[in-house]
Amino acid sequence: SQQGEEDPQALSIQEGENATMNCSYKTSINNLQWYRQNSGRGLVHLILIRSNEREKHSGRLRVTLDTSKKSSSLLITASRAADTASYFCATDPDSNYQLIWGAGTKLIIKP
Amino acid sequence: EPEVTQTPSHQVTQMGQEVILRCVPISNHLYFYWYRQILGQKVEFLVSFYNNEISEKSEIFDDQFSVERPDGSNFTLKIRSTKLEDSAMYFCASRESSGGRGFFGPGTRLTVL
Repeated sequence: SQQGEEDPQALSIQEGENATMNCSYKTSINNLQWYRQNSGRGLVHLILIRSNEREKHSGRLRVTLDTSKKSSSLLITASRAADTASYFCATDPDSNYQLIWGAGTKLIIKP
Repeated sequence: EPEVTQTPSHQVTQMGQEVILRCVPISNHLYFYWYRQILGQKVEFLVSFYNNEISEKSEIFDDQFSVERPDGSNFTLKIRSTKLEDSAMYFCASRESSGGRGFFGPGTRLTVL
Protein backbone atom coordinates (compact mmCIF):
# COMPACT_ATOMS: atom_id res chain seq x y z
CA SER A 1 0.00 0.00 0.00
CA GLN A 2 1.12 3.54 -0.62
CA GLN A 3 1.25 4.66 2.97
CA GLY A 4 2.32 8.22 3.57
CA GLU A 5 1.67 10.18 0.41
CA GLU A 6 2.61 13.82 0.51
CA ASP A 7 1.20 16.61 -1.53
CA PRO A 8 2.09 18.72 -3.23
CA GLN A 9 5.04 16.95 -4.83
CA ALA A 10 6.75 20.29 -5.22
CA LEU A 11 6.16 23.72 -3.73
CA SER A 12 7.90 26.97 -4.57
CA ILE A 13 7.22 30.06 -2.46
CA GLN A 14 8.78 33.40 -1.62
CA GLU A 15 10.89 33.80 1.48
CA GLY A 16 8.75 34.94 4.38
CA GLU A 17 5.63 33.13 3.20
CA ASN A 18 4.18 30.11 4.94
CA ALA A 19 4.54 26.65 3.45
CA THR A 20 1.99 23.90 4.00
CA MET A 21 2.58 20.29 3.09
CA ASN A 22 0.09 17.47 3.49
CA CYS A 23 0.43 13.77 4.09
CA SER A 24 -2.17 11.05 3.77
CA TYR A 25 -1.87 7.49 4.91
CA LYS A 26 -3.95 4.34 4.74
CA THR A 27 -3.55 2.18 7.83
CA SER A 28 -3.83 2.94 11.53
CA ILE A 29 -0.78 4.44 13.18
CA ASN A 30 0.85 4.81 16.55
CA ASN A 31 2.61 7.99 15.49
CA LEU A 32 3.53 10.06 12.46
CA GLN A 33 6.82 11.82 11.96
CA TRP A 34 8.10 14.53 9.65
CA TYR A 35 11.65 14.63 8.34
CA ARG A 36 13.68 17.02 6.25
CA GLN A 37 16.31 16.00 3.72
CA ASN A 38 18.61 18.42 2.00
CA SER A 39 19.56 17.31 -1.48
CA GLY A 40 21.30 13.94 -1.32
CA ARG A 41 21.98 14.29 2.40
CA GLY A 42 20.78 12.70 5.62
CA LEU A 43 17.34 12.61 7.19
CA VAL A 44 16.71 15.17 9.89
CA HIS A 45 13.90 14.45 12.32
CA LEU A 46 11.61 17.45 12.69
CA ILE A 47 8.66 16.43 14.79
CA LEU A 48 6.71 13.40 16.00
CA ILE A 49 3.00 13.46 16.67
CA ARG A 50 1.25 10.57 18.39
CA SER A 51 -2.11 9.21 17.32
CA ASN A 52 -3.82 10.70 20.39
CA GLU A 53 -2.49 14.19 19.63
CA ARG A 54 -4.10 16.63 17.24
CA GLU A 55 -1.54 19.39 16.99
CA LYS A 56 2.07 19.96 17.88
CA HIS A 57 4.41 22.92 17.60
CA SER A 58 8.15 23.20 17.42
CA GLY A 59 9.58 26.63 16.69
CA ARG A 60 8.29 27.68 13.25
CA LEU A 61 6.80 24.24 12.65
CA ARG A 62 3.22 23.27 13.27
CA VAL A 63 1.97 19.76 12.66
CA THR A 64 -1.63 18.62 12.74
CA LEU A 65 -2.98 15.10 12.70
CA ASP A 66 -6.49 14.02 11.80
CA THR A 67 -6.76 10.30 12.38
CA SER A 68 -10.35 10.20 11.15
CA LYS A 69 -9.17 11.44 7.75
CA LYS A 70 -5.81 9.68 8.02
CA SER A 71 -4.00 12.86 7.20
CA SER A 72 -1.40 15.22 8.60
CA SER A 73 -0.11 18.61 7.64
CA LEU A 74 3.17 20.37 8.23
CA LEU A 75 3.16 24.15 8.30
CA ILE A 76 6.40 26.10 8.18
CA THR A 77 5.82 29.73 9.04
CA ALA A 78 7.94 32.66 7.91
CA SER A 79 9.95 30.51 5.53
CA ARG A 80 13.66 31.07 4.99
CA ALA A 81 15.99 30.13 2.15
CA ALA A 82 17.53 27.52 4.46
CA ASP A 83 14.19 25.70 4.58
CA THR A 84 14.72 24.62 0.98
CA ALA A 85 14.71 20.83 1.17
CA SER A 86 12.53 17.77 0.68
CA TYR A 87 10.07 17.03 3.44
CA PHE A 88 8.85 13.52 4.20
CA CYS A 89 6.18 12.12 6.42
CA ALA A 90 6.69 8.68 7.88
CA THR A 91 4.13 6.62 9.73
CA ASP A 92 4.89 4.19 12.51
CA PRO A 93 1.96 1.77 12.72
CA ASP A 94 3.07 -0.18 15.79
CA SER A 95 5.67 2.03 17.44
CA ASN A 96 8.33 -0.44 16.35
CA TYR A 97 9.98 2.12 14.06
CA GLN A 98 9.27 0.16 10.89
CA LEU A 99 8.58 3.52 9.34
CA ILE A 100 6.57 3.75 6.15
CA TRP A 101 7.60 6.77 4.15
CA GLY A 102 5.94 9.03 1.67
CA ALA A 103 7.53 10.23 -1.56
CA GLY A 104 8.15 13.69 -0.14
CA THR A 105 7.44 17.29 -0.99
CA LYS A 106 10.24 19.27 -2.55
CA LEU A 107 10.12 22.77 -1.07
CA ILE A 108 11.94 25.66 -2.72
CA ILE A 109 12.12 29.00 -0.97
CA LYS A 110 12.91 31.85 -3.34
CA PRO A 111 14.87 34.74 -1.87
CA GLU B 1 22.89 16.74 20.30
CA PRO B 2 24.25 13.16 20.08
CA GLU B 3 24.55 11.76 16.61
CA VAL B 4 24.71 8.55 14.65
CA THR B 5 27.72 8.26 12.37
CA GLN B 6 28.15 6.18 9.24
CA THR B 7 31.17 5.20 7.19
CA PRO B 8 32.04 5.42 4.43
CA SER B 9 30.02 8.35 3.13
CA HIS B 10 30.32 6.96 -0.40
CA GLN B 11 31.18 3.43 -1.50
CA VAL B 12 31.68 2.37 -5.09
CA THR B 13 31.84 -1.34 -5.83
CA GLN B 14 31.64 -3.77 -8.68
CA MET B 15 28.60 -5.98 -9.13
CA GLY B 16 29.03 -9.25 -7.28
CA GLN B 17 31.37 -7.83 -4.66
CA GLU B 18 30.65 -7.85 -0.95
CA VAL B 19 30.26 -4.57 0.88
CA ILE B 20 30.04 -3.73 4.54
CA LEU B 21 28.44 -0.49 5.59
CA ARG B 22 29.27 0.69 9.06
CA CYS B 23 27.29 2.62 11.60
CA VAL B 24 28.05 3.83 15.09
CA PRO B 25 24.75 4.33 16.90
CA ILE B 26 24.34 6.65 19.86
CA SER B 27 26.07 5.01 22.80
CA ASN B 28 23.15 4.27 25.13
CA HIS B 29 20.76 3.25 22.37
CA LEU B 30 19.45 -0.30 22.24
CA TYR B 31 17.43 -0.42 19.02
CA PHE B 32 19.07 -0.25 15.63
CA TYR B 33 17.72 0.03 12.09
CA TRP B 34 18.75 0.13 8.48
CA TYR B 35 16.78 1.91 5.80
CA ARG B 36 17.59 2.60 2.19
CA GLN B 37 16.57 5.17 -0.38
CA ILE B 38 17.03 4.45 -4.05
CA LEU B 39 17.66 7.70 -5.91
CA GLY B 40 14.40 9.54 -6.47
CA GLN B 41 12.34 6.98 -4.58
CA LYS B 42 10.86 6.57 -1.12
CA VAL B 43 12.86 5.60 1.92
CA GLU B 44 12.31 1.91 2.68
CA PHE B 45 12.69 -0.04 5.89
CA LEU B 46 15.17 -2.91 5.71
CA VAL B 47 15.71 -4.35 9.17
CA SER B 48 15.50 -3.71 12.89
CA PHE B 49 17.86 -5.16 15.48
CA TYR B 50 17.56 -5.48 19.22
CA ASN B 51 19.26 -7.59 21.85
CA ASN B 52 21.72 -8.96 19.32
CA GLU B 53 19.15 -10.32 16.97
CA ILE B 54 16.93 -9.21 14.11
CA SER B 55 13.52 -8.06 15.33
CA GLU B 56 11.89 -7.42 11.99
CA LYS B 57 12.94 -7.41 8.38
CA SER B 58 11.29 -6.38 5.17
CA GLU B 59 10.95 -8.32 1.93
CA ILE B 60 13.93 -6.40 0.59
CA PHE B 61 16.17 -7.88 3.28
CA ASP B 62 16.83 -11.23 1.62
CA ASP B 63 19.63 -13.73 2.11
CA GLN B 64 22.10 -11.36 0.48
CA PHE B 65 21.82 -9.03 3.43
CA SER B 66 23.00 -9.50 6.98
CA VAL B 67 23.48 -7.31 10.01
CA GLU B 68 25.82 -7.58 12.91
CA ARG B 69 26.80 -5.78 16.06
CA PRO B 70 30.39 -7.02 16.22
CA ASP B 71 31.32 -5.04 19.31
CA GLY B 72 29.69 -2.63 21.71
CA SER B 73 29.74 0.30 19.34
CA ASN B 74 29.40 -0.70 15.69
CA PHE B 75 26.37 -1.88 13.76
CA THR B 76 27.06 -3.18 10.27
CA LEU B 77 25.07 -4.02 7.17
CA LYS B 78 26.67 -6.53 4.82
CA ILE B 79 25.57 -7.15 1.27
CA ARG B 80 27.11 -10.41 0.17
CA SER B 81 27.00 -10.12 -3.60
CA THR B 82 25.94 -6.68 -4.73
CA LYS B 83 23.58 -6.11 -7.64
CA LEU B 84 23.09 -2.99 -9.70
CA GLU B 85 19.73 -2.44 -8.00
CA ASP B 86 21.43 -2.25 -4.59
CA SER B 87 22.68 1.20 -5.54
CA ALA B 88 21.06 3.50 -3.02
CA MET B 89 21.61 5.65 0.01
CA TYR B 90 21.68 3.48 3.13
CA PHE B 91 20.68 5.05 6.41
CA CYS B 92 21.32 3.69 9.86
CA ALA B 93 19.13 4.78 12.78
CA SER B 94 19.06 4.10 16.47
CA ARG B 95 16.87 4.80 19.42
CA GLU B 96 17.16 4.46 23.13
CA SER B 97 13.90 2.70 23.80
CA SER B 98 10.94 1.33 21.94
CA GLY B 99 8.57 4.22 21.47
CA GLY B 100 11.36 6.75 21.69
CA ARG B 101 12.49 9.10 19.00
CA GLY B 102 14.92 7.71 16.45
CA PHE B 103 18.12 9.34 15.25
CA PHE B 104 19.35 8.86 11.71
CA GLY B 105 22.91 8.85 10.47
CA PRO B 106 24.00 10.90 7.45
CA GLY B 107 23.84 7.88 5.16
CA THR B 108 26.23 5.91 2.95
CA ARG B 109 25.77 6.30 -0.77
CA LEU B 110 26.41 2.90 -2.36
CA THR B 111 27.08 2.80 -6.09
CA VAL B 112 27.23 -0.61 -7.74
CA LEU B 113 28.83 -0.64 -11.20
